Parts: sequence; C-alpha cells; structure tokens
Amino acid sequence: AQSVTQPDIHITVSEGASLELRCNYSYGATPYLFWYVQSPGQGLQLLLKYFSGDTLVQGIKGFEAEFKRSQSSFNLRKPSVHWSDAAEYFCAVGGGGSQGNLIFGKGTKLSVKP
Amino acid sequence: DAGVIQSPRHEVTEMGQEVTLRCKPISGHDYLFWYRQTMMRGLELLIYFNNNVPIDDSGMPEDRFSAKMPNASFSTLKIQPSEPRDSAVYFCASSLRVGWYGYTFGSGTRLTVV
Repeated sequence: AQSVTQPDIHITVSEGASLELRCNYSYGATPYLFWYVQSPGQGLQLLLKYFSGDTLVQGIKGFEAEFKRSQSSFNLRKPSVHWSDAAEYFCAVGGGGSQGNLIFGKGTKLSVKP
Repeated sequence: DAGVIQSPRHEVTEMGQEVTLRCKPISGHDYLFWYRQTMMRGLELLIYFNNNVPIDDSGMPEDRFSAKMPNASFSTLKIQPSEPRDSAVYFCASSLRVGWYGYTFGSGTRLTVV
C-alpha cells in the first residue's frame, strides 16, 4: 500500500541552526515526491518536488531535499532556519495517470526558538 | 491568477443543518481535489475530479457527503445532515495535470458543527 511516514511530529530548532525533516515513503512504482508547507490558517504551499534526475533538488525559501531510493526517503533540509520558517511541513507522494491523487504524511510542526 | 478560491473561510453551523462548501479552481486546471484536515487523521482525500467527472470518491466518509462539479470553474462539497465529527478544515486543490505538477491549494474552509 502507498504511504508516507513523517516520524517527527514536532521539532524545535534555534534560529540560524540547520534543519532536517524526515520523510519515508512506500510506493509501488517510481513516485513523484513533494514537500509542502502550511502556515497557520493557510493552505498548503509547494516547496519543491522530485521525479527523476539529480537526487538533490532545490526549492523555494532556501529549502532543499534529497531523494535516496535505497532508503525510500526524501528528507527536507535547510542550512539556516529563520523565524518565519515556523510552520507545518508535509511530505507527499503520488503518481501519474490513474493514480492522480497525492498521499500526504501526517506533517511535522516546526517551531523556531529566538 | 487569483489561485484556488474557497468560500466561506469559516462556517459555524448546528448539528443537522446542511452545509455547502464552494471552490473555484485555477482556470485551465483539469483536476480538482477535496481534502479534509483534522488533528487526528491529518489530510484525507475525499474525492477528486478530472474534467468535471468524479474519478475517485472512495474517501467520502458516508452518504451524508456529496460533491459536484457542474462546470470547469466551480465545485461544491455538501454535508447533509452535518454532525459535530465533521468539524475540520476542508481544502480544495487544483492541478493542471497529475504527477509532476503538484497541487495548488485554496486557503480552506474551517467548519465547526455545534
């Protein structure tokens, strides 16, 4: 069955520190992988996406993610966190064609300490 | 483009009442998705449409829920009768294609059933 696991429910980091949010997926075929961010009271915004090619992908707001097929992982990273990065982050997996819908993880809430 | 537009932003209703949530997708997007977000269950896909035709409604929780897409620029999600356990944030999202494109989400409708 297709699934996405985000093992960390809540992470707190200090402003300026590095960040890594974990995502593991289970998918029968080569998946499309996405990271979304949700600020309080807002919808989800696409940060970055991956399907093929270079396994390190760059996104908006200084985020990047690395695809590791052997580990079925797609972890999100940022070298230096800003207070405005405090939000909830969702990993999602999907396919094309008849498997059009995305499956989302439960999310990781990021808090940033001054 | 104004993005995906949902209305109302907030809805408070009494148990047993009918509730209608509305969504205007991005012009030209072929796919429209309805998601429900709760603390307990995260983001759940309720139903999605392709070219106004429902493709997968297996996530619709019960017969009290119905969704329509009468044309390419409008969709509704109706709950009749509403129950307190329907309280959640309901998101509409649209996509040009499935797979690589990802989704564009609306800002959501926060529904409270008392």
